[in-house]
Amino acid sequence: DIVMTQTPLSSPVTLGQPASISCRSSQSLVHSDGSAYLTWLHQRPGQPPRLLIYKISNRFPGVPDRFSGSGAGTDFTLKISRVEAEDVGVYYCMQTTQFPFTFGPGTKVDIK
Amino acid sequence: EVQLVESGGGLVQPGGSLRLSCVASGFTFSDYEMTWVRQTPGKGLEWVSYISSGDNDIYYADSVKGRFTISRDNAKSSLFLQMNSLRAEDTAIYYCARRFEYWGQGTLVTVSS
Repeated sequence: DIVMTQTPLSSPVTLGQPASISCRSSQSLVHSDGSAYLTWLHQRPGQPPRLLIYKISNRFPGVPDRFSGSGAGTDFTLKISRVEAEDVGVYYCMQTTQFPFTFGPGTKVDIK
Repeated sequence: EVQLVESGGGLVQPGGSLRLSCVASGFTFSDYEMTWVRQTPGKGLEWVSYISSGDNDIYYADSVKGRFTISRDNAKSSLFLQMNSLRAEDTAIYYCARRFEYWGQGTLVTVSS
């Protein structure tokens, strides 16, 4: 199974400042079709997760452009250019390159 | 508007069974693969099962293989998860999701005597 790790696990951030979360996979996420199926999700307290980014860097429709994803191979990053109050919650990376699909442990983002 | 509504959760004794349902609307259900994901209260996310659009391909997490069965009824825009031989560690909120793009609100399954 592909193991997903995230750093940091907790991130107090200042409103209006940037934030960054790293995600690493235990093996390459490049699929045989050439794409890397690395996804970022955001979960607010008491809510289901929602999709932010798919295939490393593609923003899902409706996701603000302050969110961006980057990376390749086994190392990936989610960046928030200027944190807003609604961005608090837990961020998960996950891979859907191969079964079983696996999630990172989550990074809790809250406001300082 | 895409909507996914789960139901069927509840309290069940260890060794018991439950059948979860997920009714979809706002899109052509038969065009999309679907998944079940669970979340232990206060903990992270765990993928449970996947079914392709035509149910040709089905996969399970090792933790549920042989006990859970995923199925779908495209005519009724519905996804199901039959859960047998339930254990305490299956206690979680169960979400259905369309390709992880859209998620339901979840249904809570509690396995306890």
